[in-house]
Amino acid sequence: AQKVTQAQTEISVVEKEDVTLDCVYETRDTTYYLFWYKQPPSGELVFLIRRNSFDEQNEISGRYSWNFQKSTSSFNFTITASQVVDSAVYFCALSEANYGGATNKLIFGTGTLLAVQP
Amino acid sequence: DTGVSQDPRHKITKRGQNVTFRCDPISEHNRLYWYRQTLGQGPEFLTYFQNEAQLEKSRLLSDRFSAERPKGSFSTLEIQRTEQGDSAMYLCASSLQGGVGYEQYFGPGTRLTVT
Repeated sequence: AQKVTQAQTEISVVEKEDVTLDCVYETRDTTYYLFWYKQPPSGELVFLIRRNSFDEQNEISGRYSWNFQKSTSSFNFTITASQVVDSAVYFCALSEANYGGATNKLIFGTGTLLAVQP
Repeated sequence: DTGVSQDPRHKITKRGQNVTFRCDPISEHNRLYWYRQTLGQGPEFLTYFQNEAQLEKSRLLSDRFSAERPKGSFSTLEIQRTEQGDSAMYLCASSLQGGVGYEQYFGPGTRLTVT
């Protein structure tokens, strides 16, 4: 069975603090993809990053960085020097490569609400 | 370049009524997905199309739900005999064919309230 767990329901930080959002996944497939999406108060999901299961290199994009570790089935997301505009719900998602015909439907975690206080 | 659009953005209906939502994907995308999101939860997959073919339906999609994509462009999601448990945000997403890793781009959603 495929599953994504985001154990942190809510995190509150003060602006300029660093914050890490945890994501743990379960899958029996050897080929899969992991994603992070941001859902601001406006409600529209915004794509942030995609990683495939064969690429464990960490990635940095501006203040955002991602740490993918297959050994612990984790794909954590760090925001450096957080800003008020980072306040949103962040979702981690999994897509398996071969499931009933490779549909690439996304399986989401329950999300982490990040509140950045000024 | 426009993103995924959905109409209406909000719908309030009485229990037992039928409702229909529309999704217009990004123009070159041939895959289209419907998800449902309830408060405090992540989106849950409902169904998906590749061009006009509906290739998978979740068990969440009861027989009161039907989705179509008649010409492989826009899609509609109809809920018949609505129930209060159908109250949720209905999200549409689209992506390019060709590989399971292609990211899905989401629309703003249609928020349904069943009274």
